[in-house]
Amino acid sequence: KQEVTQIPAALSVPEGENLVLNCSFTDSAIYNLQWFRQDPGKGLTSLLLIQSSQREQTSGRLNASLDKSSGRSTLYIAASQPGDSATYLCAVPSGSARQLTFGSGTQLTVLP
Amino acid sequence: NAGVTQTPKFRILKIGQSMTLQCTQDMNHNYMYWYRQDPGMGLKLIYYSVGAGITDKGEVPNGYNVSRSTTEDFPLRLELAAPSQTSVYFCASSFGTSGFNEQFFGPGTRLTVL
Repeated sequence: KQEVTQIPAALSVPEGENLVLNCSFTDSAIYNLQWFRQDPGKGLTSLLLIQSSQREQTSGRLNASLDKSSGRSTLYIAASQPGDSATYLCAVPSGSARQLTFGSGTQLTVLP
Repeated sequence: NAGVTQTPKFRILKIGQSMTLQCTQDMNHNYMYWYRQDPGMGLKLIYYSVGAGITDKGEVPNGYNVSRSTTEDFPLRLELAAPSQTSVYFCASSFGTSGFNEQFFGPGTRLTVL
């Protein structure tokens, strides 16, 4: 059974710092990995989808990397801003229904 | 193009009451999902559907039922609500053929059972 872990559970940084969020998964036979952002009391916003054949995917100040062999993905946020404060979730699809298995998330606070 | 919409946004139920959470998508996606999110936890799959008329159980189906009569709609029914069903419920959809494609989520329904 696929398990997804995100460390740390919470992170607080000053504005302007570059930061890395970590995601690990137990079954390396994944098709893709999706990073989401969740604001308090809100739904999930898809940030990046990185296919298993890709090593990196970029969107603006966000860069996601994927290392299937080691079962790891990282989300790099450049020049962090207070507006980046949110919970970041990673998820991988599995099963015949392609349902997502989620990590518990990293709660990011960017201090002005 | 509204994406995935859910109603209601909030609901308070008494123990033993029933309700239906509505989910609609306008992207012609064949796959639809219901997840629940408990505080500090990731999302867990309740039920899913791979197309109209086809549904199946996920990881935590007890106390819930679903139907899929159309491509667009995937309602989740709670019978005999219990405090353990207090959670945030998310509906999602994706287009699946031979690949594993991006899932799109609705804004969620926050349910409290007292």
